[in-house]
Amino acid sequence: DVKVTQSSRYLVKRTGEKVFLECVQDMDHENMFWYRQDPGLGLRLIYFSYDVKMKEKGDIPEGYSVSREKKERFSLILESASTNQTSMYLCASSFSSTGQGDYGYTFGSGTRLTVV
Amino acid sequence: QKEVEQDPGPLSVPEGAIVSLNCTYSNSAFQYFMWYRQYSRKGPELLMYTYSSGNKEDGRFTAQVDKSSKYISLFIRDSQPSDSATYLCAMSFNNAGNMLTFGGGTRLMVKP
Repeated sequence: DVKVTQSSRYLVKRTGEKVFLECVQDMDHENMFWYRQDPGLGLRLIYFSYDVKMKEKGDIPEGYSVSREKKERFSLILESASTNQTSMYLCASSFSSTGQGDYGYTFGSGTRLTVV
Repeated sequence: QKEVEQDPGPLSVPEGAIVSLNCTYSNSAFQYFMWYRQYSRKGPELLMYTYSSGNKEDGRFTAQVDKSSKYISLFIRDSQPSDSATYLCAMSFNNAGNMLTFGGGTRLMVKP
C-alpha cells in the first residue's frame, strides 16, 4: 500500500556536499511538494511542482533546487549542504482537483537529514 | 500574525478523556479544512476532511468548522494512548488538491 516513497529515512552528510533527496508517488498525482519541518517552525514549503518539468518556489527556496523529469518523481537538491539545513524533509503529492476523488496531500514518511 | 494559528501544546490528558484541538485562521476565503495526524518520526496522514461549515464525525473523531468565527476544532472521544501524536490543521481556498496552509501542530499525549 505504498503511495509516497522517500528514498532515505536517515541521512548524514558533510558540509558542502551536494545532497539529493528522492520522492516517488504511485497515485498519478499532478502536484508534488517538498517541505521541511523544524520544531517550533512547523511545515515550511520549499518548492512545489504542478506538472512535469514545472516548478515553483515556496517560502524558503534558498539553497535548494528541484527536478521533476517524470510525473511520479520529484527530487530535492541541496546544492552545498550547510548545518542549518539539518531538518526533517517531507515530500507530499496531491491531485490538482477533488473531482478525482482524493483529498488533501499524501505525505511520505520523511527523511531526517543531518549535516555535520 | 500567521494565517493559521494552533497552540503547540503539549496537551497531556488521561486515557478516556475527551480531547479538543483547535485552530484559528485569519483569511475568510478558506473553504476546505483538514486535520492531519503525525506520529513521531513519521509523515502526516490525513485524518479528517470537511468542506465549509458544520460537523463531520468518523468513529471517535469529530471535526467542526465555524466559518463565522474562523475557528475549527477536532474532538477525540475516549482518547487512547495510541492517539498520542502531533495534530496539524490545514486549509485551502479552492479545493483540497490546491495549496494547503498548515497550522504549526499541537502535540497530544494520552497517558494510560
